[in-house]
Amino acid sequence: NAGVTQTPKFQVLKTGQSMTLQCAQDMNHEYMSWYRQDPGMGLRLIHYSVGAGITDQGEVPNGYNVSRSTTEDFPLRLLSAAPSQTSVYFCASSTDRDTETQYFGPGTRLLVL
Amino acid sequence: SQQGEEDPQALSIQEGENATMNCSYKTSINNLQWYRQNSGRGLVHLILIRSNEREKHSGRLRVTLDTSKKSSSLLITASRAADTASYFCATGRSYQKVTFGTGTKLQVIP
Repeated sequence: NAGVTQTPKFQVLKTGQSMTLQCAQDMNHEYMSWYRQDPGMGLRLIHYSVGAGITDQGEVPNGYNVSRSTTEDFPLRLLSAAPSQTSVYFCASSTDRDTETQYFGPGTRLLVL
Repeated sequence: SQQGEEDPQALSIQEGENATMNCSYKTSINNLQWYRQNSGRGLVHLILIRSNEREKHSGRLRVTLDTSKKSSSLLITASRAADTASYFCATGRSYQKVTFGTGTKLQVIP
């Protein structure tokens, strides 16, 4: 199993551009989530999904959209990039409702100029 | 807002020493987990403790949980240089919305 994969690893955008961060998992996990990590802020939940066709907002959803058309994929869309969205983005997945242990991807480092 | 807060923010110890880091949280939880993050990498799950447990061990890791004080501690015994990483606590009350603390950055000096 590849686990959780994320692409790209690094991206530079100009303010106002849009882009999609890709996340895929091959573990048949129901639950997937997106976090952003900023210095001194820990990880903050952006959006999450409990299954195909079901998504919900996390702590910091503004400026981001998600969809979950398949169990495997959970892309994160930046609609109009802003410098405040410069961050490292992590995708995670989980299957265990009881333990809620999450498996993380390697991250996407995004710089918005 | 962050559910968990780790303390200290940074910790530097010599190889072979024990490292203790603490986590405080705000609301009731079902379980608490600790994750490790090596520089530039994603988080890796270390250990989970349920709300009805007080202590749990896994190899060189020992986790305690005090629900009355809403706090947990992670002890790494006989630390190694490879333990150098950031450590995060995560709390979950439901299947969704697991929230993470701000992390403790541990440096183990060889």
